[in-house]
Amino acid sequence: NAGVTQTPKFQVLKTGQSMTLQCAQDMNHNSMYWYRQDPGMGLRLIYYSASEGTTDKGEVPNGYNVSRLNKREFSLRLESAAPSQTSVYFCASSEAREDPRYEQYFGPGTRLTVT
Amino acid sequence: AQSVTQLGSHVSVSEGALVLLRCNYSSSVPPYLFWYVQYPNQGLQLLLKYTSAATLVKGINGFEAEFKKSETSFHLTKPSAHMSDAAEYFCAVRSVKGGKLIFGQGTELSVKP
Repeated sequence: NAGVTQTPKFQVLKTGQSMTLQCAQDMNHNSMYWYRQDPGMGLRLIYYSASEGTTDKGEVPNGYNVSRLNKREFSLRLESAAPSQTSVYFCASSEAREDPRYEQYFGPGTRLTVT
Repeated sequence: AQSVTQLGSHVSVSEGALVLLRCNYSSSVPPYLFWYVQYPNQGLQLLLKYTSAATLVKGINGFEAEFKKSETSFHLTKPSAHMSDAAEYFCAVRSVKGGKLIFGQGTELSVKP
């Protein structure tokens, strides 16, 4: 049982380049999330998917797009990377978004640098 | 609106000393509260959670937290710090109605030998 996996672990992009961060979970969870982590700011929600086939904006969605490919996979795309998107990106999943008892399980993160 | 404030971005203790990491929350409805730990270069791992059962919650690795409604606090404690406890700790809150998880800014714990 791998839990939540993310690829790649590290990435360096030039301004204007695009890339997709991949996330998969093998816990049969309904809900999946993308966060970014910046020093002194905790984790901020970018996008989430409450269930397969649905996606919604979080706190900081600008500059990102997502795809819930199937129940297991949830990808995050940067269409035109900017230095402000330099961050550590975490994917997470949980049983049900609307049930607050369920904790979120996190992947190991992707460290992205945009030059 | 909900929010979480963690007092102190860095806390340093000696090995064997008490660990106290502070978390205060703001919520207009009863909250569910969580503590996560992040070891260097890793993702977040759940330490413990409060979901309106017992107010004193025990978690993994000897940590515990007490929900105090009158003080709107959910401080994390451990009686005796170990070197392996060095990590960043995040407090988070959710409404009983569901919705997103709101994280505090994080507290980095250092443990001195």
